[in-house]
Amino acid sequence: EVQLVQSGAEVKKPGESLKISCKGSGYSFTTYWIAWVRQMPGKGLEWMGIIDPGDSNTRYSPSFQGQVTMSADKSINTAYLQWSSLKASDTAMYYCARSYGGFWGQGTLVTVSS
Amino acid sequence: QAVVTQEPSLTVSPGGTVTLTCGSTTGAVISGLYPYWFQQKPGQAPRTLIYDTSNKHSWTPARFSGSLLGGKAALTLSGAQPEDEAEYYCALYYSSAWVFGGGTKLTVL
Repeated sequence: EVQLVQSGAEVKKPGESLKISCKGSGYSFTTYWIAWVRQMPGKGLEWMGIIDPGDSNTRYSPSFQGQVTMSADKSINTAYLQWSSLKASDTAMYYCARSYGGFWGQGTLVTVSS
Repeated sequence: QAVVTQEPSLTVSPGGTVTLTCGSTTGAVISGLYPYWFQQKPGQAPRTLIYDTSNKHSWTPARFSGSLLGGKAALTLSGAQPEDEAEYYCALYYSSAWVFGGGTKLTVL
């Protein structure tokens, strides 16, 4: 069974750093790209970018380029999304999803508040 | 960049049939854009109902089907149930990037 399990909810202050994770199981993790998707409160889905877990090649949406960093550790079947300096406007639910077939993680709620 | 269009809201009667559509400002939606359809209920993660235009997952109820219709991708719900009330998003695949539509709020009433 294909599963993507994400790390738990985070509460951070503006300016802090953060790294959330997405662990895949039930398939060959390096075969399919992993996408990250943002959903701000009460809003729709936004594609942030995608990473190839096999070689860590990334493609970012222009809206998120330079704002976040995607990475992966294929030895532990895990993809990551990180921020170096959070802003209040980063408050959202973040989902990872396998690029083919559309298998989704359960989401990680990130709250940034002073 | 393409903008993906969806009806903002639709209403269907219980047992009725409704078609949601997914268009693109760049032209006709074709199978090579690998249309996806996602269902999202309040407080839940999105769930993929349809991928690659018409492929279903094991969890996709048989009453949902995907197709191409009149230059758009379409999600047809035949025999709507109260539990089908949700937000539905489509996505098209442009150069390894998903572009999401704004979502259709489906009411079963």
